[in-house]
Amino acid sequence: DAGITQSPRHKVTETGTPVTLRCHQTENHRYMYWYRQDPGHGLRLIHYSYGVKDTDKGEVSDGYSVSRSKTEDFLLTLESATSSQTSVYFCAISPDRVYGYTFGSGTRLTVV
Amino acid sequence: AQSVTQLGSHVSVSEGALVLLRCNYSSSVPPYLFWYVQYPNQGLQLLLKYTSAATLVKGINGFEAEFKKSETSFHLTKPSAHMSDAAEYFCAVSRRREQGGSEKLVFGKGTKLTVNP
Repeated sequence: DAGITQSPRHKVTETGTPVTLRCHQTENHRYMYWYRQDPGHGLRLIHYSYGVKDTDKGEVSDGYSVSRSKTEDFLLTLESATSSQTSVYFCAISPDRVYGYTFGSGTRLTVV
Repeated sequence: AQSVTQLGSHVSVSEGALVLLRCNYSSSVPPYLFWYVQYPNQGLQLLLKYTSAATLVKGINGFEAEFKKSETSFHLTKPSAHMSDAAEYFCAVSRRREQGGSEKLVFGKGTKLTVNP
């Protein structure tokens, strides 16, 4: 998607290892979000940010941490990956929630 | 807190038939409402949004949705389905703040649309 890039696109990791996913935007949007998507659950919010160094928890934040040291980058870290964190992770950005979100293409994470 | 219910996790229609995807919301204050589409192995793309202007909202690819406050609904329709419409569709709601802006989006669980030739 234009203006938002997620990396890596695919990753396989072992249980217990730390993993960091990156979301990079070129739109200078204030708000950034991390979601996970699982069959039957739709999209669930993990963490979000409303500015540099300003972050807050979503509904499924346990086992995840985030950091935003620059407007353009929002990092999601799995401190010690578990099989339950196998999922597709989406980053989204927004200048203001009224306008809706722009989503990245996703990262497919497999924890074995 | 606001919430969204999408009726039917799977909907199947024939090519050329009417598409109707149902969404009901719960919000204690006037909402902002959105429909997103997700094609296989892609992210979500905004189809259309309601932000208190006209109650009938037109979006991309011939889709439209009507905000009905009395029914707390925001159903998505398209008069004639095309094979390329096969995808998963998500309804989302956010709540306005009195001081301006809105709260974060809450998504429904999605409806997978299949279009049969």
